[in-house]
Order: sequence, then structure tokens, then C-alpha cells
Amino acid sequence: NAGVTQTPKFRILKIGQSMTLQCTQDMNHNYMYWYRQDPGMGLKLIYYSVGAGITDKGEVPNGYNVSRSTTEDFPLRLELAAPSQTSVYFCASSPDALYGYTFGSGTRLTVV
Amino acid sequence: AQSVSQHNHHVILSEAASLELGCNYSYGGTVNLFWYVQYPGQHLQLLLKYFSGDPLVKGIKGFEAEFIKSKFSFNLRKPSVQWSDTAEYFCAVGRTGTNAGKSTFGDGTTLTVKP
Repeated sequence: NAGVTQTPKFRILKIGQSMTLQCTQDMNHNYMYWYRQDPGMGLKLIYYSVGAGITDKGEVPNGYNVSRSTTEDFPLRLELAAPSQTSVYFCASSPDALYGYTFGSGTRLTVV
Repeated sequence: AQSVSQHNHHVILSEAASLELGCNYSYGGTVNLFWYVQYPGQHLQLLLKYFSGDPLVKGIKGFEAEFIKSKFSFNLRKPSVQWSDTAEYFCAVGRTGTNAGKSTFGDGTTLTVKP
């Protein structure tokens, strides 16, 4: 099984550009999450979803949008990229609230 | 707001030494507790978890953690570390109820084990 797949692994964006970070899981998990990790810091929750068609904001949602049209996919959209969005982005999934997360390998994004 | 505190940012040990990484959280409700590990060049993976029952939980690779409710702590332990345990370790606290599933992470502890 592939688990949680994130693409791309690396990306450099110019200020003001937009992009979508892709996340797909093949475990039929209901819960999916987007976190960002800044150097020396823990993971901060951007958005999460408890099922197809349901999304909600996390701790740091500004500058991002998500959608969840299928159980498998949970893309993260960055509009008008800013240097403050330079970070490593992790997608994760879990079958329910009691289980821990299965993480993707991350996307390292640099905004210049 | 809920917060998770990991006391040590960087721990350096020699092989065979014992390990204890501290984790404290601030949240008054029922919680689920997790430790994750990120080995160099790899993605985060679950080390162990607690959500009810025996407060001493065992995980993979000989790790264990003890939940002490009165101290809001969930410390990670290993009796004898190996060079291959070199990694970054994250404590996470998951909420229950209407916020179920969402986890708050600590800032992580980097463990370096010298051969």
C-alpha cells in the first residue's frame, strides 16, 4: 500500500504565485489533515477534514484553502504565496479520532 | 488554548544509556496522547499511543511511555538506546468531543546517540 502520498516533494514559488499541494491516501481513512512545520517548531494544523465534503479550519488557516470531494484526496491550495509560507507541509490521515496519524513524506516549499 | 511542551530541544546520549523525554500538556479535558518519531530522511511515524486503560503503554522498537494524569505528562522512555534511535521525537495531544481527531504537537526533541 502507498499510504499517504504527497506531491510535489519540493517547490520554489515566487511571491504572489499560487499552487496546489496534492495529498492522496489509499487507506479509506475518514480523517485527513494538513500541517506545516517551521524550523525548530512543532507542527501547526492548517486545515482538517472528517470526511468527504467536510472541512474545517485549524490553527493557522490564513492564506490557504482546501477541498475534500473524495475520501482519498485532500488538496491544499496556496493563493498569493508569501515568504511567511515557506515551510515544510505534511499531509496526514487517520481512520478515526483515537488512532494516530499516517503521514506523507512532506512538501518543502520555499517562497522567494 | 491547548499547548504541548517538550522540555528538551536536543538530547545527546551514548549507546546503551537510558532515555527519558519529557512531555507536558495543558488541557483539562479527556485527551489521547501520542509520540511520533522522524528518522533522518524519513517521514513522521507513530511510535506509540494512549487513549485509555493501562497508563503505561509500549510501542515499537522498545519504547514505552507513561501517562500521569495528575501531572499532565506523557514521558517517553527507553532503557537502552541504540545509534539507530537518532531521530526527532514529537509528542502530540489529541482532543476528544467536537474537536476529536485534531492533535497539537510539541516542538520536538532531537535525539543524537553516539556510537
